[in-house]
Amino acid sequence: DQQVKQNSPSLSVQEGRISILNCDYTNSMFDYFLWYKKYPAEGPTFLISISSIKDKNEDGRFTVFLNKSAKHLSLHIVPSQPGDSAVYFCAATGSGGSNYKLTFGKGTLLTVNP
Amino acid sequence: DAGVIQSPRHEVTEMGQEVTLRCKPISGHNSLFWYRQTMMRGLELLIYFNNNVPIDDSGMPEDRFSAKMPNASFSTLKIQPSEPRDSAVYFCASSLGGGLSNEQFFGPGTRLTVL
Repeated sequence: DQQVKQNSPSLSVQEGRISILNCDYTNSMFDYFLWYKKYPAEGPTFLISISSIKDKNEDGRFTVFLNKSAKHLSLHIVPSQPGDSAVYFCAATGSGGSNYKLTFGKGTLLTVNP
Repeated sequence: DAGVIQSPRHEVTEMGQEVTLRCKPISGHNSLFWYRQTMMRGLELLIYFNNNVPIDDSGMPEDRFSAKMPNASFSTLKIQPSEPRDSAVYFCASSLGGGLSNEQFFGPGTRLTVL
């Protein structure tokens, strides 16, 4: 049973345009969400996070939006650059005793075309 | 800092053989995680150590899998005997602590193929 779902395995956008990556979750106990980025032959690297007390968090070109009622979050990249081409993983955790435990989606491969 | 170091980067073995994956966490980090990535299940946590002590091994698939952390700078994940369904990429990650504010830093992974 996938508790974190990334329904789009891949996404292709033009350089300079907006990339929107989506993520849905089913576990109501999740209240902290993270996005990781992964290049081939490397491990995932942390990109941005959001707590459930917020609905938006911004860091440079990257913004994460959280809609708790819909159990949905999205990552916006504006403007997209070819170097952003990677697999993006959405992850979630709860704030209780097992807050070390990240539940990951299966990832979305983003390709930014020059 | 060199980051999290994993070895080997690739391992090809035959069914029934013992496989040992190694990890050196970032110096000063006291939390260590082993993950497995497969096409079917994605990235899933196998085991979590804090201060060299296993805290949560609920993700370890079965008794064929074992993990140790004899000291703060080294951990192993062993599969004995290995099976073709163990083929996956295994990641080690470390963090300053186990909590929300402590970013997990991942190693480059070990790609395991069991024939």
